[in-house]
Amino acid sequence: GAVVSQHPSRVICKSGTSVKIECRSLDFQATTMFWYRQFPKKSLMLMATSNEGSKATYEQGVEKDKFLINHASLTLSTLTVTSAHPEDSSFYICSARDGPRLVNEKLFFGSGTQLSVL
Amino acid sequence: AQKVTQAQTEISVVEKEDVTLDCVYETRDTTYYLFWYKQPPSGELVFLIRRNSFDEQNEISGRYSWNFQKSTSSFNFTITASQVVDSAVYFCALIQGAQKLVFGQGTRLTINP
Repeated sequence: GAVVSQHPSRVICKSGTSVKIECRSLDFQATTMFWYRQFPKKSLMLMATSNEGSKATYEQGVEKDKFLINHASLTLSTLTVTSAHPEDSSFYICSARDGPRLVNEKLFFGSGTQLSVL
Repeated sequence: AQKVTQAQTEISVVEKEDVTLDCVYETRDTTYYLFWYKQPPSGELVFLIRRNSFDEQNEISGRYSWNFQKSTSSFNFTITASQVVDSAVYFCALIQGAQKLVFGQGTRLTINP
């Protein structure tokens, strides 16, 4: 089946630094990728929808300048947490769809990235 | 607005017991899709099932079965003869119209040996 690779799986950084998380579709072209954030023992909250070649669409309350999303190719989307602070510590997970209509597809997820900001 | 409620925050059973995870959803659309995902301790989300709103047939896949009832807006998930490897957080999710996948709060299932 379709595979989505997310890297790194875990990152620890100092407050004020920027962190880039990559999400790759390995055996299919992902026209759309989604970025989610998950707090401990909580559900997944959609942060933004990333379409290849265009600007990402952010959910209400998500700072676009804090969470930069780039979807430069059909197989790669990146999320950069700029000037990270301890409150940005969380589990970030991406997903990608392998067809033109999401509802017809399964929506495959990456393995997630645990970000810890000291 | 769409909403998914998983009222059971945590469930703990002994191995080989049957267990049912509840999912209740809210949506105004007549066309929508429901999903179940499994999140093991490693963190990744594993797709289990997708069901569209026009197909109320129950489904069985090995030890897993799903009961979709539009009359009660429920899409419950049952694991028969549970095993320790079934321990995970399970999420029910809904998608409609705007194509944003909305997740329930998740149910943490622990299967004790």
